[in-house]
Amino acid sequence: DIQMTQSPASLSASLEEIVTITCQASQDIGNWLAWYQQKPGKSPQLLIHSATSLADGIPSRFSGSRSGTQYSLKISRLQVEDTGIYYCLQRYSNPNTFGAGTKLELK
Amino acid sequence: QVKLLQSGAALVKPGASVKMSCKASGYTFTDYWVSWVKQSHGKSLEWIGEIYPNSGATNFNEKFKGKATLTVDKSTSTAYMELSRLTSEDSAIYYCTREATVVLDYWGQGVMVTVSS
Repeated sequence: DIQMTQSPASLSASLEEIVTITCQASQDIGNWLAWYQQKPGKSPQLLIHSATSLADGIPSRFSGSRSGTQYSLKISRLQVEDTGIYYCLQRYSNPNTFGAGTKLELK
Repeated sequence: QVKLLQSGAALVKPGASVKMSCKASGYTFTDYWVSWVKQSHGKSLEWIGEIYPNSGATNFNEKFKGKATLTVDKSTSTAYMELSRLTSEDSAIYYCTREATVVLDYWGQGVMVTVSS
């Protein structure tokens, strides 16, 4: 199985701050990487697909990038509504695997 | 718009089985695979498996083979997952999702399954 090592596990940041979350894949997954945000009691919501493509309706302050097998989600100016847990997902091969999650809070 | 409406929460006894549903609307049900995902309390997400409604073809995470059975009813655009021989480890929220090639794009609201005597 492909392992997705996500960091940090938790993060506290201030409003308007730049936030970066990373996922390291244990092998090449190409651009088969997505990012999700999950709020308490809700289903995960798609933010980024194909490593760098913004999902419909997602604010442009969210962006995704790739460097080899390391993938990053960047929030350029943190807003109150951005708190939650963020997950990466690889769909390069079965079983699809998720990162362990990053809990993002406001400082 | 695309919607996946899942059945309600279930309280089941250890050793029993539970079957949950996921009714799709807003798209052609037979054109997209449906995946199922488990989220244990306070934990991350695990991919259980997938089914292609057009043919009934399935793929599973080895961890869930023998535990989960996936079926569909094309006439009602509904996907089903049955979990068998339940233990406390199966207590979790289960989501159905639509697969759009590179991504799981739409998710149901989730079904909370509690296994308790």
